[in-house]
Amino acid sequence: NAGVMQNPRHLVRRRGQEARLRCSPMKGHSHVYWYRQLPEEGLKFMVYLQKENIIDESGMPKERFSAEFPKEGPSILRIQQVVRGDSAAYFCASSKTGTEAYEQYFGPGTRLTVT
Amino acid sequence: AQSVTQLDSQVPVFEEAPVELRCNYSSSVSVYLFWYVQYPNQGLQLLLKYLSGSTLVKGINGFEAEFNKSQTSFHLRKPSVHISDTAEYFCAVSDTGGFKTIFGAGTRLFVKA
Repeated sequence: NAGVMQNPRHLVRRRGQEARLRCSPMKGHSHVYWYRQLPEEGLKFMVYLQKENIIDESGMPKERFSAEFPKEGPSILRIQQVVRGDSAAYFCASSKTGTEAYEQYFGPGTRLTVT
Repeated sequence: AQSVTQLDSQVPVFEEAPVELRCNYSSSVSVYLFWYVQYPNQGLQLLLKYLSGSTLVKGINGFEAEFNKSQTSFHLRKPSVHISDTAEYFCAVSDTGGFKTIFGAGTRLFVKA
């Protein structure tokens, strides 16, 4: 049973470009979460999605950031017009629904570097 | 709203010595509590969790944690650490009705030979 998959593992973008980060949840998991980890800091919640629905996006910056989890395919975190401050590790996690929804399994992360 | 405080940013310890990593939380509702470990350039791995029942929780790799409701703490312990335990450890909390997990800033454990 494959774990949570994220790609790419490393992404380099120049200021002003777009970054697309992909996350495939574990088989049987219908909930996806995105977190951002800045250097020397803990993880900060960004957004929580179920298939075709954004449930909680209270941690998402108001501009340039968006997320989706379509009916088919991986969840996508999109950052438009990247700036140096967007450089961070972005982690995706997934969980089952119902009573096991609290237990999240993390992917290896995508390390975004903005030059 | 919940918050998590990890009281030590770094903890150096010699191999085979015991270790305790401290975690305090604040919440006005019932919570679930977690400890995760992160090895360099990797994602987070769940060490253990407290949902209900016994306040002493045992996890993987010989770690255990004790939930203390009156002190709002969930400290992580291991009686004898190995070099391979060197990693970043994160305490986390989520309310029992929701799904948003709040993480502490992390404690970096250095195990020295």
